Amino acid sequence: KQEVTQIPAALSVPEGENLVLNCSFTDSAIYNLQWFRQDPGKGLTSLLLIQSSQREQTSGRLNASLDKSSGRSTLYIAASQPGDSATYLCAVLTGGGNKLTFGTGTQLKVEL
Amino acid sequence: GAVVSQHPSWVICKSGTSVKIECRSLDFQATTMFWYRQFPKQSLMLMATSNEGSKATYEQGVEKDKFLINHASLTLSTLTVTSAHPEDSSFYICSAPLGTRDNEQFFGPGTRLTVL
Repeated sequence: KQEVTQIPAALSVPEGENLVLNCSFTDSAIYNLQWFRQDPGKGLTSLLLIQSSQREQTSGRLNASLDKSSGRSTLYIAASQPGDSATYLCAVLTGGGNKLTFGTGTQLKVEL
Repeated sequence: GAVVSQHPSWVICKSGTSVKIECRSLDFQATTMFWYRQFPKQSLMLMATSNEGSKATYEQGVEKDKFLINHASLTLSTLTVTSAHPEDSSFYICSAPLGTRDNEQFFGPGTRLTVL
């Protein structure tokens, strides 16, 4: 059974800092990995998707890497802003049926 | 990007009543949709897979007679919480994969259900 863990559970940083969020998964036989952002009481916004054959994806200030063999992914956020404050979730797609297994999430707060 | 909507965004009901939540893919067709439940400060847990034109498949521990799913068209799936109880109060979110984009999943805005 796939298990996804995210570290740290919560993070508070001053504005402008670069930061790294970590995601690990137990079953390396994944099809892809997605990073999402969730604001309080809201749905999920897809940030980046990395296919199993890819090593990284970039979008603006965000960069996600994937090391499938070691079961790890990182989300790098450059020059953090207060608007980046949210919960960040990673999810992996394994097996058939397009089922995603979600991580436990990292609650990020970027302070002025 | 692809858009998924949910209705209603929130609902409050009395214990014992049934509540229907709709999930629509607005600009793409989805033969499969997924329903998740999220309790406060917890991650999303998959409840069931909604399949257009056939029965839904439920995850272990999810009561299919309590959480009725209907996927009547390629753009609409509904989740009905039957005889709701306070322990069913949660945030329900649906998603749909966009097959042309590496099966990237797009999520609805969620429905907050409160059962009194």
